[in-house]
Amino acid sequence: NAGVTQTPKFQVLKTGQSMTLQCAQDMNHNSMYWYRQDPGMGLRLIYYSASEGTTDKGEVPNGYNVSRLNKREFSLRLESAAPSQTSVYFCASSFRGSHNQPQHFGDGTRLSIL
Amino acid sequence: GEDVEQSLFLSVREGDSSVINCTYTDSSSTYLYWYKQEPGAGLQLLTYIFSNMDMKQDQRLTVLLNKKDKHLSLRIADTQTGDSAIYFCADTGFQKLVFGTGTRLLVSP
Repeated sequence: NAGVTQTPKFQVLKTGQSMTLQCAQDMNHNSMYWYRQDPGMGLRLIYYSASEGTTDKGEVPNGYNVSRLNKREFSLRLESAAPSQTSVYFCASSFRGSHNQPQHFGDGTRLSIL
Repeated sequence: GEDVEQSLFLSVREGDSSVINCTYTDSSSTYLYWYKQEPGAGLQLLTYIFSNMDMKQDQRLTVLLNKKDKHLSLRIADTQTGDSAIYFCADTGFQKLVFGTGTRLLVSP
């Protein structure tokens, strides 16, 4: 079972370049999430989509946009990459965003902005 | 807003017990989760506890919940080198989880 699949796994960008990180889940989950992980700061929520057709800002949305393309796919776009966006990005999904539903994570995209 | 706090590091010897602690602020929490992250990988759900429980045991893992003090702990019995990882506790917020900063567990032979 694939679960949550993220592409690419690694990427190096120059400042000002744009990029879209892809995420797909095959568990028929309704809710999807994008996090970034930085040393000593845990996981910070960038954007989430509680259900197909909806997206909401998380804790650190500035500099990012998202698209919930369909129930399976949720992409994260950096329009003009900045060195502060160097991080590991995780996509997650859950059956619902409600209290009793755990999230399932992809393996991450390691992004470096030079 | 909701906040979840953990200590950053824990070092134990192989065969000892490890106890990782977590405090949270949301009094309306329903489920609390423990996730494990191995190097270069995503987060893997380890276990969870419902807020009306005090304790949950799953093989070598014991979760204790003190709802009055808003304190959650994860005990790993007979800790192995393969348990070396970052452990995150997470609280249920509105439509999303709130994660702690993670505790890096180092197990030495």
